[in-house]
Amino acid sequence: SQKIEQNSEALNIQEGKTATLTCNYTNYSPAYLQWYRQDPGRGPVFLLLIRENEKEKRKERLKVTFDTTLKQSLFHITASQPADSATYLCALPQNTGGFKTIFGAGTRLFVKA
Amino acid sequence: SAVISQKPSRDICQRGTSLTIQCQVDSQVTMMFWYRQQPGQSLTLIATANQGSEATYESGFVIDKFPISRPNLTFSTLTVSNMSPEDSSIYLCSARPYSTAGTGELFFGEGSRLTVL
Repeated sequence: SQKIEQNSEALNIQEGKTATLTCNYTNYSPAYLQWYRQDPGRGPVFLLLIRENEKEKRKERLKVTFDTTLKQSLFHITASQPADSATYLCALPQNTGGFKTIFGAGTRLFVKA
Repeated sequence: SAVISQKPSRDICQRGTSLTIQCQVDSQVTMMFWYRQQPGQSLTLIATANQGSEATYESGFVIDKFPISRPNLTFSTLTVSNMSPEDSSIYLCSARPYSTAGTGELFFGEGSRLTVL
């Protein structure tokens, strides 16, 4: 079955720098990949989706890349702010053509002022 | 988009009892799902709540332990039965509106944090 790997260690960066988070998957190549943000005590919130035929997607200060050869997605936050501190989750369809979503364990980001 | 309300937001329960969590969506949605998130862990899919029929459970989850109802397109309940301390977790309701069927975007409730003593 599909497995998602995200760096379990927290990422600490200085305000203004670019944060880069990694998501690797192990099995089939999904039709799309999603990124969510989760704040403590809250449910996840959808941020971005990138499809298998897209190399890169941008939304404001966020950029996502998708390399189906490496089975990897990178999530970048440019000009990071303390308000960006949260856990970021990578998510994929559970199966090829499936409608269920599975999540990685997430990477905790701390942005210091 | 969809706004999802869950209740209770938190509860402390005694071993052996059961608790029902309610999930209300402010618009009709195609799919509703229940996830569990244990402290520091990722979300684990429990089941898909099917409107008007039995839920579809993931491996490791059974109907007797986690009965689910979905009487209409906007409401679902999850019951955690015969609870033990291992059931202490955050339970999250999620939904996929018709408008995001193509992207698979999920909306989540705030979660129900259960502590079983």
